Amino acid sequence: DSGVTQTPKHLITATGQRVTLRCSPRSGDLSVYWYQQSLDQGLQFLIQYYNGEERAKGNILERFSAQQFPDLHSELNLSSLELGDSALYFCASSAGGLVRGYTFGSGTRLTVV
Amino acid sequence: AQTVTQSQPEMSVQEAETVTLSCTYDTSENNYYLFWYKQPPSRQMILVIRQEAYKQQNATENRFSVNFQKAAKSFSLKISDSQLGDTAMYFCAFMKPLQGGSEKLVFGKGTKLTVNP
Repeated sequence: DSGVTQTPKHLITATGQRVTLRCSPRSGDLSVYWYQQSLDQGLQFLIQYYNGEERAKGNILERFSAQQFPDLHSELNLSSLELGDSALYFCASSAGGLVRGYTFGSGTRLTVV
Repeated sequence: AQTVTQSQPEMSVQEAETVTLSCTYDTSENNYYLFWYKQPPSRQMILVIRQEAYKQQNATENRFSVNFQKAAKSFSLKISDSQLGDTAMYFCAFMKPLQGGSEKLVFGKGTKLTVNP
């Protein structure tokens, strides 16, 4: 157990639907990062939150949004889903400051049918 | 923008032997960090080893070591005494710490390593 908890582990939904992925960071970590892993694009950075505030944005579609709550858990909202959104979505956390690399969760496998 | 290139999509090695995975990167920065992550079939992303660019000494973690060549922008991973449990995708990653605490990882496409008994 890495200490980063992601739910659900698997999600199957239809095109056009909306889903919410949840992430609880490791205890004490203030930063949460979301990554998308697909076969053709590899691991792509989506967005980072630090202590409740958006800190950096990557290749995140307008149909996607995220937030970090006061208890530091984060949610990634994906709407108007398309077949191409099928991927593994990772959350990672870090304490910031001294760079030790991230700690990743086990991911949410999203399948859009 | 930084890019990370792993030129070996797949590799295989016999158990107990040594294998080296290649990684090159492109950056104009002087201060940065490099990582190798392992992704076994369980999908979990596991940090294997990290290297700070300002350190000349190559990082080592048990059977894993790196050959960091800053001028050549090369960061290879050597796995000694390969074990079956080393079978996984290996990702090389680059991080440039930004002001304000943003630390985005840029990943290579990965190398699929198979350790054969």
